[in-house]
Amino acid sequence: EDQVTQSPEALRLQEGESSSLNCSYTVSGLRGLFWYRQDPGKGPEFLFTLYSAGEEKEKERLKATLTKKESFLHITAPKPEDSATYLCAVLSGYSSASKIIFGSGTRLSIRP
Amino acid sequence: DAGITQSPRHKVTETGTPVTLRCHQTENHRYMYWYRQDPGHGLRLIHYSYGVKDTDKGEVSDGYSVSRSKTEDFLLTLESATSSQTSVYFCAISPGSNQPQHFGDGTRLSIL
Repeated sequence: EDQVTQSPEALRLQEGESSSLNCSYTVSGLRGLFWYRQDPGKGPEFLFTLYSAGEEKEKERLKATLTKKESFLHITAPKPEDSATYLCAVLSGYSSASKIIFGSGTRLSIRP
Repeated sequence: DAGITQSPRHKVTETGTPVTLRCHQTENHRYMYWYRQDPGHGLRLIHYSYGVKDTDKGEVSDGYSVSRSKTEDFLLTLESATSSQTSVYFCAISPGSNQPQHFGDGTRLSIL
């Protein structure tokens, strides 16, 4: 069964304390992996797309990487405004059999 | 921000009543999606559309129907609402099936 698991469920960091969020997946035929940020009361906001193992994307303090079994979202020297829930989603399959599965998210809290 | 408007933003209704949620886009994207988001389950796909009058079921489609008579509008209908359908509903759009989806800000639906 296709599955996407995010860990940890929640993470509290001090401002400036770097860390990583994990998204592990078991799917047949990975076509892409997406990272989103979600603030309370808002819809998910797109951050990155990764299409193949070894690919990396960066935006400000965030860097996403992809292997054949997992993706990491590295956050360097975070600030309080980086507090949010981070979601990953995996796209697999082709044509009428394609599907996207979202993980349950990691709630990130950055203390000043 | 992607031009996606969901209406209403909040709704409280009673068990057994019909409910229709609307998603309107100004991006002329081909694909439109309806998700529900519940604690512990993440985002789950209800139905999606890949063109005018072209729709298909997602993971949790029972009890829901959709219609898309114009490119810009995608309607989600609960024919006879049940308490288990209390949730936050998100609409998303994308230009292609393997491209990232962009989300609206959701509709919080409570069924008493």
